[in-house]
Order: sequence, then structure tokens, then C-alpha cells
Amino acid sequence: SQQGEEDPQALSIQEGENATMNCSYKTSINNLQWYRQNSGRGLVHLILIRSNEREKHSGRLRVTLDTSKKSSSLLITASRAADTASYFCATSGGTSYGKLTFGQGTILTVHP
Amino acid sequence: DTGVSQDPRHKITKRGQNVTFRCDPISEHNRLYWYRQTLGQGPEFLTYFQNEAQLEKSRLLSDRFSAERPKGSFSTLEIQRTEQGDSAMYLCASSPGGSRATDTQYFGPGTRLTVL
Repeated sequence: SQQGEEDPQALSIQEGENATMNCSYKTSINNLQWYRQNSGRGLVHLILIRSNEREKHSGRLRVTLDTSKKSSSLLITASRAADTASYFCATSGGTSYGKLTFGQGTILTVHP
Repeated sequence: DTGVSQDPRHKITKRGQNVTFRCDPISEHNRLYWYRQTLGQGPEFLTYFQNEAQLEKSRLLSDRFSAERPKGSFSTLEIQRTEQGDSAMYLCASSPGGSRATDTQYFGPGTRLTVL
């Protein structure tokens, strides 16, 4: 079963616009990670935020984490056509140090 | 290329046949993971190894599935008596490990299985 739910399921924007994707989860976590997946390919790690962190930046990416609301958001600024992909949040928690639980993902399409 | 590699990339088999997939992790990564992903869904955890020890298995991993990592390096995932419901992308990932914390997992390109 999937722990996370991403919102929206699909997002279509123009190049240069910002894209925001949200992720909600159900149980307590140790950390939350965001991954990108291009069509039919493996996942690429984008960013990891720990449960005691509230915000993290990496290049054009900004991730926030609100553990009280059990939610996270991923902001991609100044989007490019190459950002077109599926984006997944993944959580780890409890005593399981290996298992990542993924959401269903957000399909982002950036039009040139 | 020093990333995670998987072989084969595609496998088509008939129902009832056995299949085996191989994963080579990033060198010196202690942890190795297997996930399964169906169309339109996020990956689902199957199992993971710390060196050669299999530490956790999902309930998704039925008796027909077995995974090994005999020398703590590469791993194999075998599916016996395949069913059409086994059709999916099988993803392998590895991470440095070495601590009790969950760390970043690096994924391979996946093996796409089609069961006819």
C-alpha cells in the first residue's frame, strides 16, 4: 500500500513558470525524499529532508516539510522542458531503516 | 559507468516460467534494495539487504519470489511460476548504509517484465 499521496496527479505549465507539488503521508517519518523519473526509466534522487528540518534548497528546488500536518511540498522554480517527468515523494520511518514508501507521483509536463 | 546496473533490461516470458534478474550495486554500497513498480504507480518495496543479510521483506514478496545477495555484492531476484500479475518494472537500488539512519538510495534503470 502507498503511504503518500501526491497532489496534483498531473501538472501542466509553461517553461519559466514555477511548479509546486504536494505530498501527504500518514505515519511518523525519519526523513522524506523526492525523486524524479523520466518516462520508463529509473528514479533519480533529488533531495532529502530530515524530520527535524523544515526547509531545504538545492539549485532550483525548494522542499518544505511540515510534520504537524504530515505534508511536504516540492517547488521547482523557472521550470524547463527538461523538467518534464514524474515526481515522487518517498518516506522512511519507524524502525525500518531500509524501506522507502512512495506516493503515486505527480506527472509534470513543461511546455517549451 | 559506476551507477547501479540491472540485467536484463527487458524480459518477456510465458506464464508459469521462472525468471531471474540481476542487480549490481554501486561499488562499496552496503545496502541493496528491490522494488516493484506497475504502470501509473509509485515503486513498492519488496526487500532489502545489509551486506549479505536480508533484513526486511514485504508481504508482497510471496513464496514464489526469492532474493539473494550471496557475497554482499550483486543480488538476484527470482520469480518462480510467473503469473500475469507479476508484469511490472523491477527496480534495484543501493545506498552506502553503515549507519542506522535511512540514507539516499540510488536506483538502477530497472528490468521490465512482461508475462504473457
